[in-house]
Amino acid sequence: AQKVTQAQTEISVVEKEDVTLDCVYETRDTTYYLFWYKQPPSGELVFLIRRNSFDEQNEISGRYSWNFQKSTSSFNFTITASQVVDSAVYFCALERSNYQLIWGAGTKLIIKP
Amino acid sequence: SAVISQKPSRDICQRGTSLTIQCQVDSQVTMMFWYRQQPGQSLTLIATANQGSEATYESGFVIDKFPISRPNLTFSTLTVSNMSPEDSSIYLCSVASGRPDNEQFFGPGTRLTVL
Repeated sequence: AQKVTQAQTEISVVEKEDVTLDCVYETRDTTYYLFWYKQPPSGELVFLIRRNSFDEQNEISGRYSWNFQKSTSSFNFTITASQVVDSAVYFCALERSNYQLIWGAGTKLIIKP
Repeated sequence: SAVISQKPSRDICQRGTSLTIQCQVDSQVTMMFWYRQQPGQSLTLIATANQGSEATYESGFVIDKFPISRPNLTFSTLTVSNMSPEDSSIYLCSVASGRPDNEQFFGPGTRLTVL
């Protein structure tokens, strides 16, 4: 069975703190893709990153970074020096072989000024 | 990239009525999907909209309740039939670019409230 677990339901930090959002996945596929999306209060889904299973290099994009570890089936997301605008619900998703996405429950991130 | 528009953006409907949601993509795409996001929840796949054939539904979703049309590679509709308050959700259309890019794009969503 394929599954995505985001154990952190809600995280609250003060602005400028670093925060890590956890994502653990289950799949029997040897080739797969993982995604992170941001959903601000307005509701639209904002694509953040896509990573395939053959690329375990960590990725950094500005204040965002991702740590992909196949050994622990995790694809964690870190925001450095968080800002109030980072407040949103963040979803991790796993792609099935037929391009359909299986979603984690989401983590609501609250950044306090 | 693909730009997706949905109509309506939101609606308030009465119990027992039906609503058809339109999804328009600015380029031809093979793979198109409909998702539902209930209040405070994650996304759940309703079905894959297949061009020229019947949609493929996920467990728990049936054609009589959520009929889907896909007349061409840029357009699809999802109808929510015989609505009840439990159908109040955001309905999202998405498309996948396929390999090698494997990008997934989402429409802005249709926020449905059923009274």
